Amino acid sequence: AQKVTQAQTEISVVEKEDVTLDCVYETRDTTYYLFWYKQPPSGELVFLIRRNSFDEQNEISGRYSWNFQKSTSSFNFTITASQVVDSAVYFCALSEGGSYSGAGSYQLTFGKGTKLSVIP
Amino acid sequence: DAGVIQSPRHEVTEMGQEVTLRCKPISGHDYLFWYRQTMMRGLELLIYFNNNVPIDDSGMPEDRFSAKMPNASFSTLKIQPSEPRDSAVYFCASSRDRGLNQPQHFGDGTRLSIL
Repeated sequence: AQKVTQAQTEISVVEKEDVTLDCVYETRDTTYYLFWYKQPPSGELVFLIRRNSFDEQNEISGRYSWNFQKSTSSFNFTITASQVVDSAVYFCALSEGGSYSGAGSYQLTFGKGTKLSVIP
Repeated sequence: DAGVIQSPRHEVTEMGQEVTLRCKPISGHDYLFWYRQTMMRGLELLIYFNNNVPIDDSGMPEDRFSAKMPNASFSTLKIQPSEPRDSAVYFCASSRDRGLNQPQHFGDGTRLSIL
C-alpha cells in the first residue's frame, strides 16, 4: 500500500483561481513528519513546509496554506489566487519516527506528485 | 549560504560505461541522501549516510550501484556498468539531523541518460 497518496495526477487552473492539492498518508507511527516540496520545470526540488504529527494547527504563508487533519490522515495544500509561476509538480512526503516502522526509518517517502498548470 | 551541489548537471554516456555522480552537502549537515527520480517510479530513496557512514542502502537497485562518503563534504554514487534503464534524474539531499525534524535540502539533480 502506498504510504503517501496524491490522487490528483494533473490539475489545470486559470490564473487567480484557488487550487487545493490533496495528500493522504498512511502510517502506524505516532511520531511522524509531513512535508511539501515544489519541483518547477527547471527540475530542482524546493522545500515548502514541514509539519509534525503533534501539531495540527493549519499554517498560512502568503498565498500558500496547509490543512493537516489527523482524523482523515490528510495534509492538503491550497494556493490562493494562483499565478503562472506556481506551475510545477508538487510532492507530499512522509518521514516516519520509527516507533512502529522500526529503527532507522527516517527516510522520506514521497507521493507520486501532482502537476499543477496555471494558465494565464 | 551554498546549497547542496551536484555534478555533473547532465551526463550522457553509452551502455556499459562507468558513471560517477558527485555531491557536496550543505556544510554542517550530517545526513546525506541519494534519490532517483523516474516517470514510472517517482522519487525513490537509494541510500543515506549519517556522519559519513551508510545507514540504509536497501533502496540501491542492484550491485551495479555503489555509494561512498569519504568525508563530510563529499559523496559519490557510482554505476558500473551502466544500463539504459538507469536513465533518470539523481538527486542528492542533506539535512542537519535525522531528517525527521529538519527538512532535507536537495541539489539541482543530475540528469543521466544511458544510450
